[in-house]
Amino acid sequence: DQQVKQNSPSLSVQEGRISILNCDYTNSMFDYFLWYKKYPAEGPTFLISISSIKDKNEDGRFTVFLNKSAKHLSLHIVPSQPGDSAVYFCAASHNNNDMRFGAGTRLTVKP
Amino acid sequence: DAGVIQSPRHEVTEMGQEVTLRCKPISGHNSLFWYRQTMMRGLELLIYFNNNVPIDDSGMPEDRFSAKMPNASFSTLKIQPSEPRDSAVYFCASLYRTMNTEAFFGQGTRLTVV
Repeated sequence: DQQVKQNSPSLSVQEGRISILNCDYTNSMFDYFLWYKKYPAEGPTFLISISSIKDKNEDGRFTVFLNKSAKHLSLHIVPSQPGDSAVYFCAASHNNNDMRFGAGTRLTVKP
Repeated sequence: DAGVIQSPRHEVTEMGQEVTLRCKPISGHNSLFWYRQTMMRGLELLIYFNNNVPIDDSGMPEDRFSAKMPNASFSTLKIQPSEPRDSAVYFCASLYRTMNTEAFFGQGTRLTVV
């Protein structure tokens, strides 16, 4: 059962524009949500997170939004840069247990 | 700290052979996760340990897969016998489970079963 879903396998945006990556989850017990970034031949690296008690967390060019009623979160990158091109994974956990990931979205930022 | 260390980085084996993947978590971390990356399911959680105890192994595909964590600094994922459909990248991750925090990943083991 896929408890965390990323329905867009790929996204292409122009440099300087906004990238919006989406994620849906089914388990209402999840209380912590994360985004990871992955380059080829490397392990995923942590990007930004949000607790279920918040609806927005911002870190520089990256902002994560959480809509608990819709069980939906999104990652906004603005402005997008070519170096942001990577696979982005959404993850969710409950009490730091069983951290579940989505299938990933491949972001391509074109110069 | 050197981070999460996985070995080997690459493994090529013949169908039917036993394969053992190894992971050394970050010192002080008390939770360890094994994931398998596939195109269809992304990062699929296989099993995780808290304080060296397996908590949930419902993601382990079949009885051919087994995982152990004999101490806080070492874990193995074993596949016996291996099959071509097991070919994937396997990741290990660890975290310090006290409050909400991120997990740190190793660089993965690319397994090819021919």
